Amino acid sequence: EAGVAQSPRYKIIEKRQSVAFWCNPISGHATLYWYQQILGQGPKLLIQFQNNGVVDDSQLPKDRFSAERLKGVDSTLKIQPAKLEDSAVYLCASSLEGQMGWGYTFGSGTRLTVV
Amino acid sequence: TQLLEQSPQFLSIQEGENLTVYCNSSSVFSSLQWYRQEPGEGPVLLVTVVTGGEVKKLKRLTFQFGDARKDSSLHITAAQTGDTGLYLCAGIRPTGNQFYFGTGTSLTVIP
Repeated sequence: EAGVAQSPRYKIIEKRQSVAFWCNPISGHATLYWYQQILGQGPKLLIQFQNNGVVDDSQLPKDRFSAERLKGVDSTLKIQPAKLEDSAVYLCASSLEGQMGWGYTFGSGTRLTVV
Repeated sequence: TQLLEQSPQFLSIQEGENLTVYCNSSSVFSSLQWYRQEPGEGPVLLVTVVTGGEVKKLKRLTFQFGDARKDSSLHITAAQTGDTGLYLCAGIRPTGNQFYFGTGTSLTVIP
């Protein structure tokens, strides 16, 4: 089966600019997650969707980050305006509904550098 | 404070040596996973353990879930250069549906 697709793979922007990331989960996976991973650290959950509804966005910096999952399939994550500390890898993952206890499938991530 | 603490944070060993990575918490988890992440890629699931005391073997890798389901370990026998990567544990609490990732262990196997 096709994996979780993410684009772009790399993005370099100046601070205060905006950026958007795209994710296409595995077909049939109802649950979708966006994680932020600082180099060498474990991923930090930003937002979790169940179909097109938000389950958990408690750690999403809502003053600058937004995410949507229209139609319960693809998702986009936006940062506006970006700060230097937003430099990280943004990972998208998906899992079958009710199966997240058995693990996720991750995409390859988007490496964001804010200069 | 991280819910899942991994140790060591960094590990550099010679090819052929054995090693153990630990994942500890003061909280109980209903299941726990181990992932390996290579540079420029997303984490890849290695194993899921769900029963306290459970031991799973995957070739040269042995995973153990603590009896109280608060901790886990990953043991690698005769490490190879291909084992190099960031090892992450992750778990889900019995209440709620959020996944918690550990702090990570960066392993380098030197030829």
